[in-house]
Amino acid sequence: AQSVTQPDIHITVSEGASLELRCNYSYGATPYLFWYVQSPGQGLQLLLKYFSGDTLVQGIKGFEAEFKRSQSSFNLRKPSVHWSDAAEYFCAVGPPPTGNLIFGKGTKLSVKP
Amino acid sequence: NAGVMQNPRHLVRRRGQEARLRCSPMKGHSHVYWYRQLPEEGLKFMVYLQKENIIDESGMPKERFSAEFPKEGPSILRIQQVVRGDSAAYFCASSPSEGQVYGYTFGSGTRLTVV
Repeated sequence: AQSVTQPDIHITVSEGASLELRCNYSYGATPYLFWYVQSPGQGLQLLLKYFSGDTLVQGIKGFEAEFKRSQSSFNLRKPSVHWSDAAEYFCAVGPPPTGNLIFGKGTKLSVKP
Repeated sequence: NAGVMQNPRHLVRRRGQEARLRCSPMKGHSHVYWYRQLPEEGLKFMVYLQKENIIDESGMPKERFSAEFPKEGPSILRIQQVVRGDSAAYFCASSPSEGQVYGYTFGSGTRLTVV
């Protein structure tokens, strides 16, 4: 079955510290992978996506993610977290033929001053 | 160039009433997707529409829920006889073509509360 697992429900990091959010997927074909961020009461904003090519992808706001096929992972990283990064982060995988995405349950990030 | 517009932002309905959620895709986008986000959950796919066609409704509950995307006007997600369990955030996304290739653009959602 196709699925996305984000093992960490809630993570707290200090401002300026590095961040890694984990994402594992189960998918029968070559996956298209996405990371989205959702601020409270807001919609989802695309941070980055991976389709093919270089397995390290750069996104907006200083985020990057690395696709590791052997580990079925697509972890999100940022070298230095800012207080404004506090939000919920969703990993997603696609596509089924009709293009809908399968989302993980999300990881809520809190940032300590 | 406005993004995906959803309205209303917040909707309160009493049990048994109807809820209508509207989504206007980005200009030039002809594909619309509806997702539901329950509390403490990720987004779950509901339905995928193109103009005047339902392409995939595999995520739609079998009863009380329907969706349309007419030739003119916004896409509508309709929930009849709402129950407390329908309380959730409903998000619409649009794409110009195959969504997974170009990436979706999401709206800000409609938060439905059933009292």
